[in-house]
Amino acid sequence: GAVVSQHPSRVICKSGTSVKIECRSLDFQATTMFWYRQFPKKSLMLMATSNEGSKATYEQGVEKDKFLINHASLTLSTLTVTSAHPEDSSFYICSARDFTGGELFFGEGSRLTVL
Amino acid sequence: GQQVMQIPQYQHVQEGEDFTTYCNSSTTLSNIQWYKQRPGGHPVFLIQLVKSGEVKKQKRLTFQFGEAKKNSSLHITATQTTDVGTYFCAGKANFGNEKLTFGTGTRLTIIP
Repeated sequence: GAVVSQHPSRVICKSGTSVKIECRSLDFQATTMFWYRQFPKKSLMLMATSNEGSKATYEQGVEKDKFLINHASLTLSTLTVTSAHPEDSSFYICSARDFTGGELFFGEGSRLTVL
Repeated sequence: GQQVMQIPQYQHVQEGEDFTTYCNSSTTLSNIQWYKQRPGGHPVFLIQLVKSGEVKKQKRLTFQFGEAKKNSSLHITATQTTDVGTYFCAGKANFGNEKLTFGTGTRLTIIP
């Protein structure tokens, strides 16, 4: 199946710093990418939907200025957590979908710890 | 907004026993997908159901989509230790709306 690579897998940062997470589709063009947040033993909470070349659509309650999403190419989307705080610590997962609009291919996830 | 609930939240079964998780949506779905997430891993696609009343099988796994397209189930026959993980359903509410809403998940543990 298609492969989605997410980097970094783990990141620890100090409070107030910004962290960038990359999500790449390695063998297909991802017309749409999704960013999720997952708390321990909980479900995936959709944060935003991004389409290549356009602004991301954020879910209700997600601060767009806090979680900056860029989908500059058909194979790369980035999530930047700006001015991170300990409450931003979480598991962030991206997923990608090609033009067929079927299954989602997930990245390996990025565990963010803000000290 | 759309809500997708799954029951049970947790299930512990003896190896060899059957397992079923149920998924219920607050709105009618155009299709439903099922994913499996192993502990420490990321979700992996299992299957997609589109038609009302559809039943699909993958070896020991049987997936059903309700007649009203608001519920679904996943049944595993004769569980094995490799079945351990959390099973999520994910529903797409409307045609043209690309967003999938994930269910609350059912965590399956196997007692050897």
